[in-house]
Amino acid sequence: DAKTTQPTSMDCAEGRAANLPCNHSTISGNEYVYWYRQIHSQGPQYIIHGLKNNETNEMASLIITEDRKSSTLILPHATLRDTAVYYCIVRVGGLGNNAGNMLTFGGGTRLMVKP
Amino acid sequence: SQTIHQWPATLVQPVGSPLSLECTVEGTSNPNLYWYRQAAGRGLQLLFYSVGIGQISSEVPQNLSASRPQDRQFILSSKKLLLSDSGFYLCAWSVQGMFQPQHFGDGTRLSIL
Repeated sequence: DAKTTQPTSMDCAEGRAANLPCNHSTISGNEYVYWYRQIHSQGPQYIIHGLKNNETNEMASLIITEDRKSSTLILPHATLRDTAVYYCIVRVGGLGNNAGNMLTFGGGTRLMVKP
Repeated sequence: SQTIHQWPATLVQPVGSPLSLECTVEGTSNPNLYWYRQAAGRGLQLLFYSVGIGQISSEVPQNLSASRPQDRQFILSSKKLLLSDSGFYLCAWSVQGMFQPQHFGDGTRLSIL
């Protein structure tokens, strides 16, 4: 499965957009990019996922480059409650494996939203 | 809507004691179920997953085991805990099918003394 590279930590001012980058240069054609976040002492929370088109939901936007080797998660108006570790994950796509949507979590980016 | 419950939230156990952590999902049928462990300051490691009752796949060798006695119940067990079993244990579920996102419970923090 493709590995991802994220900055260890980032700061963002409250009310501003938070742009979290992720490199996944070895991604293959049938692998999706997923983003989760984890607030201290809680379970990870699913944010968004995509294949090659940009995606938007009530939480965030996901921008995937045309070559799919990198992506950016955008929190349009960060709040203090968005302070968390954000994980970028490329999903293993096992053919014929119904549970192939296993997730391999790396170290993530610790986002600190400051007032 | 779907919900996932894990208990207990925290647990302190002596070395060599048994373990049973339970996870249940509501509001969905025939989900995929997962057990992860997160060591302090590190990412998540998949331990087990299940696509149906009685069907368990193990991802890493260890002294833990998992069982799925009912469709929406997933249990993580050990006969004799080791110090290295300390960590944050997370249960997750997903709709069956490729590329479905996983949804996590609030976890159990296990400390082995």
